[in-house]
Amino acid sequence: LAKTTQPISMDSYEGQEVNITCSHNNIATNDYITWYQQFPSQGPRFIIQGYKTKVTNEVASLFIPADRKSSTLSLPRVSLSDTAVYYCLVGDIGNNDMRFGAGTRLTVKP
Amino acid sequence: DTGVSQDPRHKITKRGQNVTFRCDPISEHNRLYWYRQTLGQGPEFLTYFQNEAQLEKSRLLSDRFSAERPKGSFSTLEIQRTEQGDSAMYLCASRSQGGGETQYFGPGTRLLVL
Repeated sequence: LAKTTQPISMDSYEGQEVNITCSHNNIATNDYITWYQQFPSQGPRFIIQGYKTKVTNEVASLFIPADRKSSTLSLPRVSLSDTAVYYCLVGDIGNNDMRFGAGTRLTVKP
Repeated sequence: DTGVSQDPRHKITKRGQNVTFRCDPISEHNRLYWYRQTLGQGPEFLTYFQNEAQLEKSRLLSDRFSAERPKGSFSTLEIQRTEQGDSAMYLCASRSQGGGETQYFGPGTRLLVL
């Protein structure tokens, strides 16, 4: 399983765009990149998943460069309610043993 | 609301007691997972079921831990002779068959062993 590296914490202000980058130098050909969000005392919630280039949904965008050794989760116009821990995971889509790192603790300030 | 439910949400027990947690997955999901999460860390994989078969177990799952999914629907996780180090959030997730599907997590059961 590819190891991921993310910043431990980030601060932002309401209305700003937030970009969280994840490094995964050893990503394998069959690996997908998945991001989860977790609020205190809740289970992680799926945000977005991608394999290459760009993926966008109603919540976020995921940018993956051609070499796939990193990825960037982009949250547009964050609000206070986006304060959470964000996890980047890399693995085969069929892999059942998901490895979460410590994640990035995002704090959105008013 | 992801549709995965867990019971109880909180459990306080004394060291040496046995505890059992229940997870009800999303009804059409045949895959079920248990994770443990300690403060400040991401979830750690414990075990995985496909229908009623327990197919994978982490080395974290000591002999005091046992999980079942007898009818391929709900699952239970039992911890025998609890230790203070077992204090954590226990998360359950489910997933449907087929590629492209992600895991959907329940709210977790927070265990405190005194």
